[in-house]
Amino acid sequence: DAKTTQPNSMESNEEEPVHLPCNHSTISGTDYIHWYRQLPSQGPEYVIHGLTSNVNNRMASLAIAEDRKSSTLILHRATLRDAAVYYCILRGAGGTSYGKLTFGQGTILTVHP
Amino acid sequence: DAGVIQSPRHEVTEMGQEVTLRCKPISGHNSLFWYRQTMMRGLELLIYFNNNVPIDDSGMPEDRFSAKMPNASFSTLKIQPSEPRDSAVYFCASSSPEGGYYTGELFFGEGSRLTVL
Repeated sequence: DAKTTQPNSMESNEEEPVHLPCNHSTISGTDYIHWYRQLPSQGPEYVIHGLTSNVNNRMASLAIAEDRKSSTLILHRATLRDAAVYYCILRGAGGTSYGKLTFGQGTILTVHP
Repeated sequence: DAGVIQSPRHEVTEMGQEVTLRCKPISGHNSLFWYRQTMMRGLELLIYFNNNVPIDDSGMPEDRFSAKMPNASFSTLKIQPSEPRDSAVYFCASSSPEGGYYTGELFFGEGSRLTVL
């Protein structure tokens, strides 16, 4: 499976934007880029995913580099409830990786009031 | 709609006992995943099913672990006999295909925290 690299931790202040980077230099052409987050004592929660184009939803934006070797999750205005571990994951669309998510260590986001 | 439902939420047992964790996926989802989370190893995929058929069980630690999905609305993960190193939070997740590919999101349950003494 292609791997991702994320910073171990990041900090932000409330109401400020947060840019969470992810490197995935070995991404294949059919891999989707998924972001999940895990709040304390909860199961992982889907945030956003994309293939080639930038994506926006109510939770966040996903900016994907033109060569797809990196991506950035953007939280436009961090709140205290956004404090969580954020996972960047490559998800295969077929074959033996059909549907599988392989979680790395993720980025621990701390949001300061 | 109800999300993925797991039971029990907490289980404390003694080494050697059988443990059964249960999962009810979201109605209409046809893929089901079992994950385990520990501080040391993070989130690990144990096994996943597609249309009730196990597709990949390469993450199952050893023969003490077994998983079944007798129908589309129920799955179990069994550990027999349990050992202290099995202590972890076990998550179940379900997903539905989009256009024939699993590009959609996984929905996770709240997890079952297992402590083996």
